[in-house]
Amino acid sequence: GAVVSQHPSWVICKSGTSVKIECRSLDFQATTMFWYRQFPKQSLMLMATSNEGSKATYEQGVEKDKFLINHASLTLSTLTVTSAHPEDSSFYICSARPTGTVSTDTQYFGPGTRLTVL
Amino acid sequence: AQTVTQSQPEMSVQEAETVTLSCTYDTSESDYYLFWYKQPPSRQMILVIRQEAYKQQNATENRFSVNFQKAAKSFSLKISDSQLGDAAMYFCAYRSAEEVDFGNEKLTFGTGTRLTIIP
Repeated sequence: GAVVSQHPSWVICKSGTSVKIECRSLDFQATTMFWYRQFPKQSLMLMATSNEGSKATYEQGVEKDKFLINHASLTLSTLTVTSAHPEDSSFYICSARPTGTVSTDTQYFGPGTRLTVL
Repeated sequence: AQTVTQSQPEMSVQEAETVTLSCTYDTSESDYYLFWYKQPPSRQMILVIRQEAYKQQNATENRFSVNFQKAAKSFSLKISDSQLGDAAMYFCAYRSAEEVDFGNEKLTFGTGTRLTIIP
């Protein structure tokens, strides 16, 4: 149980285009989902917290107009990287907390999406 | 702001032996949670073990146990009877209990330790 998927697993795009990454909770509902960014050989940095039906909360320094987050249902959150540039190339990981659990409970992570911008 | 430090970028251990991964953190808060996550080559983050700061007893999960020293702000992970499947990046992470009350569930991660298991 508690499986989170991401699609695509790897995407290559041209500079200036937009890319959408999906995060799905497959066997549970998730009111809250999280988006992280991981640079090569580095740690995970939280980008934003996504709540179903409301606006995402972005961490300081993360451009909300560049990284658009939509959490339209209890099983799906999307991250759209708009006008992508090579410096946006990274590994993007989502996590989800099951609905009905308290905020101290475990987050379940997706397998990540590798974005390469040419 | 909280910081998490993992001073060992790489570690290796012989199969069936025991290895300890180090983690220190800095915080002014008294109530928080600490985690060890495993990231295998598949990149899927997996929760290994979790410790609540107000609990003095060290958490254990089968072959995995922690040595939580609150005063020293140290949170090391011990892996006993190491297996080939334990090879992965291990991340130590911190989450404030105070922030959680206000809806912020931010996890602050260390830079990771790459663990290699020698057959």
